[in-house]
Amino acid sequence: EPEVTQTPSHQVTQMGQEVILRCVPISNHLYFYWYRQILGQKVEFLVSFYNNEISEKSEIFDDQFSVERPDGSNFTLKIRSTKLEDSAMYFCASIQGITDTQYFGPGTRLTVL
Amino acid sequence: DQQVKQNSPSLSVQEGRISILNCDYTNSMFDYFLWYKKYPAEGPTFLISISSIKDKNEDGRFTVFLNKSAKHLSLHIVPSQPGDSAVYFCAAQPSTSGTYKYIFGTGTRLKVLA
Repeated sequence: EPEVTQTPSHQVTQMGQEVILRCVPISNHLYFYWYRQILGQKVEFLVSFYNNEISEKSEIFDDQFSVERPDGSNFTLKIRSTKLEDSAMYFCASIQGITDTQYFGPGTRLTVL
Repeated sequence: DQQVKQNSPSLSVQEGRISILNCDYTNSMFDYFLWYKKYPAEGPTFLISISSIKDKNEDGRFTVFLNKSAKHLSLHIVPSQPGDSAVYFCAAQPSTSGTYKYIFGTGTRLKVLA
């Protein structure tokens, strides 16, 4: 069964450093999402991406965040200058069509020291 | 801004009995609801969904009930099995979101005791 993959599974970084989290959505999917879950809290929507542009973003998704689909298969989330409060699990999700349910990847645990 | 609430952080049930997980929401613009299950170190996996035009949807051991007037939904698992032990997230999809994002609750950790 096709699945969404994410790398790395765990990323440790120093505050102020840039990180790039990578996702490979299911190959024929067209809509892509990033969510995050701070430990013990709910899963929160960050951004959605369709047709090579951001279609919606949350208040969390400020200027420190950016997304890209550089090569037609990868979907990346970049955090330009990480803060301690960026420590969380980051989940990528994708769907083929707008009426489908979202398939989630296993997540990347980001730890900012 | 807790539009989707799961007020029970944890639930323990004996194997073979019914598990009932509850979820409340505040936004009447939600028109599609889902339950996801999450094991440690894995991403959420889709379990079952319900449209706001229905009040019940069943899939094997899993049934979701929706009470629109009370803005409440529940997930019933019967019979519960030890492999059902996981965190269960309720999610809602607002009809006003053109991107069909999900808004999640905080989750309920279900433990099924053998």
